[in-house]
Amino acid sequence: AQSVTQPDIHITVSEGASLELRCNYSYGATPYLFWYVQSPGQGLQLLLKYFSGDTLVQGIKGFEAEFKRSQSSFNLRKPSVHWSDAAEYFCAVGETSGSRLTFGEGTQLTVNP
Amino acid sequence: NAGVTQTPKFRVLKTGQSMTLLCAQDMNHEYMYWYRQDPGMGLRLIHYSVGEGTTAKGEVPDGYNVSRLKKQNFLLGLESAAPSQTSVYFCASSTQDRVQPQHFGDGTRLSIL
Repeated sequence: AQSVTQPDIHITVSEGASLELRCNYSYGATPYLFWYVQSPGQGLQLLLKYFSGDTLVQGIKGFEAEFKRSQSSFNLRKPSVHWSDAAEYFCAVGETSGSRLTFGEGTQLTVNP
Repeated sequence: NAGVTQTPKFRVLKTGQSMTLLCAQDMNHEYMYWYRQDPGMGLRLIHYSVGEGTTAKGEVPDGYNVSRLKKQNFLLGLESAAPSQTSVYFCASSTQDRVQPQHFGDGTRLSIL
């Protein structure tokens, strides 16, 4: 069965610093991978997705993620964090058939001024 | 353009009471999903539907029932609420194309006393 692990429950960074959120997946075939962001009291918003091609994908709000098959990872990065990036971030993997997703536990990001 | 709308947004129930959560989408999506979100556990799939009149069990279906009588609506029912069902419930929808992301509602916060 597929699974997703986000090793960091909570990360704190200073505004302007770089950010990397880790995501490791377990999946038998080529995965479909997603990063979502959730602001307090809101639903999940898609940041970016990977399903084939270039392993470095660009998303909204200046985020990018790199798919590394050898490491079973799909880490999310941002060069310079803004205070508005404080939120919870979820990595998810999609099934081969259909559109079911399996989510990681989430990483809560705090941004210090 | 409303996207995915969930009603109600908040609800408090007593143990043993029943209720129905409504999800409506206006994007003509085939697939719809119900998740629950609990601290440290990410989102877990309760039930999903791949089309009008069809439903299927997800990861944590016990204690819940669903119906998809109309393509745009997906109902989640709790027949006899239990404190363990206190959670935030999210509805999502998507097309049949698995590379396309799921679109989420803003959630229903449910407390069971």
